[in-house]
Amino acid sequence: NAGVTQTPKFRVLKTGQSMTLLCAQDMNHEYMYWYRQDPGMGLRLIHYSVGEGTTAKGEVPDGYNVSRLKKQNFLLGLESAAPSQTSVYFCASSFDSGRAAMNTEAFFGQGTRLTVV
Amino acid sequence: GQNIDQPTEMTATEGAIVQINCTYQTSGFNGLFWYQQHAGEAPTFLSYNVLDGLEEKGRFSSFLSRSKGYSYLLLKELQMKDSASYLCAVSTTNAGKSTFGDGTTLTVKP
Repeated sequence: NAGVTQTPKFRVLKTGQSMTLLCAQDMNHEYMYWYRQDPGMGLRLIHYSVGEGTTAKGEVPDGYNVSRLKKQNFLLGLESAAPSQTSVYFCASSFDSGRAAMNTEAFFGQGTRLTVV
Repeated sequence: GQNIDQPTEMTATEGAIVQINCTYQTSGFNGLFWYQQHAGEAPTFLSYNVLDGLEEKGRFSSFLSRSKGYSYLLLKELQMKDSASYLCAVSTTNAGKSTFGDGTTLTVKP
């Protein structure tokens, strides 16, 4: 059982280049998330999805786009990379408990270390 | 918005007990998670509290007071492998989202 898989694990981009980060989960989870983590800081939510074909903005969405064409995949795109987007990116997923008063834990991928020069 | 505070760093001795506090202010509160993150790795789930009180899981316990906006993670019988960052995350009723604190880096010394 692979869980949440992110590709690539490392990438160096030049300013202005574009790239797509892929996240795949095999747990049939409804919810998927993209976070970024900068040194000494917690995780900040970029975008999230509550189901196939849906996406929504998180805390820091500027400069990123996402798509969820299939339930198991959640793609994060950088159209024109900037040095401020140098970070570690984590994808996560969780299932819908079906109860409004109860959330479930997130399962994280191993992260993508992105450097923009 | 949400405001989550936890100490930046803590140091403790192997075999001891340490308590990591987390205070929060939020709307639509729907529970509080604690995650462990070793350096260079992904966060992993430790505990979830949605009701007031103490949840115990082996060496780890987590406490929540909703009225005070306060939680703590208690680690007993510390081991060297417990050296990691501990992330407090407040969950809201909106699509299972969580907002994370900046994390507490715990160093366990012999």
